Amino acid sequence: QSVLTQPPSASGAPGQRVTISCSGSSSNIGSNYVHWYQQLPGAAPKLLVYRDDQRPSGVPDRFSGSKSGSSASLAISGLRTEDEADYHCAAWEDSLKGWVFGGGTKLTVL
Amino acid sequence: EVLLVESGGGLVQPGGSLRLSCAASGFSFSTYTMNWVRQAPGKGLEWLSYISGRGYTIYYADSVKGRFTISRDNGKNSLSLQMNSLRVEDTAIYYCVRDGYNLGIDFWGQGTLVTVSS
Repeated sequence: QSVLTQPPSASGAPGQRVTISCSGSSSNIGSNYVHWYQQLPGAAPKLLVYRDDQRPSGVPDRFSGSKSGSSASLAISGLRTEDEADYHCAAWEDSLKGWVFGGGTKLTVL
Repeated sequence: EVLLVESGGGLVQPGGSLRLSCAASGFSFSTYTMNWVRQAPGKGLEWLSYISGRGYTIYYADSVKGRFTISRDNGKNSLSLQMNSLRVEDTAIYYCVRDGYNLGIDFWGQGTLVTVSS
C-alpha cells in the first residue's frame, strides 16, 4: 500500500492529452514539493518533473506538472507511442523522514 | 556526467545477508545526500534509507529498520547497504539514488537485482 495514491492505469490515443493524478496528505504533498518520474520498460526511473512543475533540461514541454493542496497532477499532451511507460509521483514525508512514492501509473498509448 | 553504478546483488537464502555497493562519479559525492530505493517485481517504488553528505544523519523505512544498514565512504565516492536477515519479500531491484533535496531524487543507478529464495 503506497502512501501516495495514483491510478494504476491510464490511456490515450496518439496526439491526445492525458492526466495522471497523485493524492497525498498534509505531511507530504501538502507541505513539500512533488516530483514525477518516467520509467520506460526495463529501465530505471528518470526525473521528469521536479518542484511540482519544473522540467529538467531535455524533457519536452509536452510534460507538465501541477499541484493544489495535497494533490498533484502530471499532464502529457500530444501523446506519442514512446510515452508508454510507468509514471511515479514522489514527495518527502515529514513524519516518516523519508521519501514516499505513489504506486505508479502504467500509461498505454492506444 | 553523473553516474551511479550498483553491484552486489544476487540470489540469497531467507535469513541470509548481502552487501550492496554503489560507485558514484561525475559530481561532488560528499556534498549530496544519498538514498536506497527498491522496486519489487511488478510493483511500485519503495524508499529504504537516507544518508546525509557527511553521514551524520541517517533514516530508515520501518520495513528495513534494524535489518539494513546504510553507510558511505566519501574518500572512495561509494555508498553501501548491508542487508541482514533477508526475507522473501525483500526480493527486488535495488537502486542507488542521488538526493537533490528540493530537486527531488534527481539521478538513479541502473539497479541491482536481489532475489531471496530457498
